[in-house]
Parts: sequence; C-alpha cells; structure tokens
Amino acid sequence: SYELTQPLSVSVALGQTAKITCGGNNVETKTVHWYQQKPGQAPVLVIYRDTNRPSGIPDRFSGSNSGSTATLTVSRVQAGDEADYYCQVWDSSTVVFGGGTKVIVL
Amino acid sequence: QVQLQESGPGLVKPSQTLSLTCTVSGGSVSSGSYYWSWIRQPPGKGLEWIGYAHYTGNTDYNASLKSRVTMSVDTTKKQFSLKLRSVTAADTAMYYCVGSYCTSSCSMDVWGKGTTVTVSS
Repeated sequence: SYELTQPLSVSVALGQTAKITCGGNNVETKTVHWYQQKPGQAPVLVIYRDTNRPSGIPDRFSGSNSGSTATLTVSRVQAGDEADYYCQVWDSSTVVFGGGTKVIVL
Repeated sequence: QVQLQESGPGLVKPSQTLSLTCTVSGGSVSSGSYYWSWIRQPPGKGLEWIGYAHYTGNTDYNASLKSRVTMSVDTTKKQFSLKLRSVTAADTAMYYCVGSYCTSSCSMDVWGKGTTVTVSS
C-alpha cells in the first residue's frame, strides 16, 4: 500500500517561513492535499490539488509538488499557525494520509 | 455552505457494532462529485480513512477494515452512516464524517466536528 512520509515536527520562529514536506514513491505524479488540525478541532483543508487554496485560507499558505516531494509552505508564520499538518493523496481508490507534522512556533 | 453533524453512542462494548450517522445540512447528499467519508483518529495519533459511500450506492473501504465495515447513504433523510462490527479497544477514536470531493483525486473538503467513541466494557 502507498505510504506518505512527513517529519514529526518543524520548529519556526514567529514571522519566518515554515516548510512541511511530504514524501512518497513518485509523489510528484500524484495530487496532494493538505490539512491543518488545531488542538481539539477537526482538520481543515488548506491546500487542494497541490497548489490551490480554498476560499478563506490566507495566501500565506502555499503548496508545491515536484522532485519526489510535496511541500506545504507557511509564510510569515503566526502563533495561530501552530498545529498539526497532514498531507493526503488518492491512490488505488484509497485515501492515504501522511503521519502528520507538528508545527511549533517559537 | 455544507455542514455535517455526527451522532451515535459514545460508548460501545467490545465485540459489538459501532453505529454512527452523519446528517448533512446546507447542501445535497446526492451531489455527483461528493463522496461521503468516515475518518477516525485514535487519541494522540494521526488520521485514518475508513471508507466512503456515494449516493448511487458505490462504496470503497480501507483494506485493513473492509471485512468489518458497512457504509450507506440515505438520500431521503440527507444522512450517511457507518457500521463497524466486532469492535475492540483499538477502535477507540474520534470519528469524523467528511464530505469528499472526488474527480481524478479526492480531497476531504468538509468535516464534521467529530464524535468520540470509546470501546470498553
């Protein structure tokens, strides 16, 4: 079965840029979606189809997918961006999530 | 704006069947591109897709749970449901109902707030 690999945690200083990676076999050939989950809340879709932001998601959130790694970039990080982030793909009629990355804002 | 609300028992005994329902408001459960998923999250762990159901009756399940899962959509009630048989403590989790937009890929667009299910005698 397909697997997605994410770092357990990423630390970033307030106002700086956080990059969260998502690796998988030929992931650049798949469509990647990203979710943000704050403590005690349901996940929220923040990037769909590699690079697209749903309405209401700040343009500080951006995505890319190339060179065997998908990346979620959060620019000008705020305290409220501290959360768990999950990548997800659709593979062989199955929804697959990465293990999640905790973003810690310093 | 589609909204989802889970309902069902918060406590299930081992070996019994976990049954949850999700009520859809603000939109149609019969949308062609929307598949209605269940996703769970054990305490302190990541997200696990359980499966989805389409209003046409089409379903797909996580291979690891397939033998114990049944999902369906009731268009008249604007609800979809999950049944998970023969539960154990490992099925203790937060369960989310999710609207999945599926074309060439599926994104989990709309999430319910989640409901906690504990498996314990």
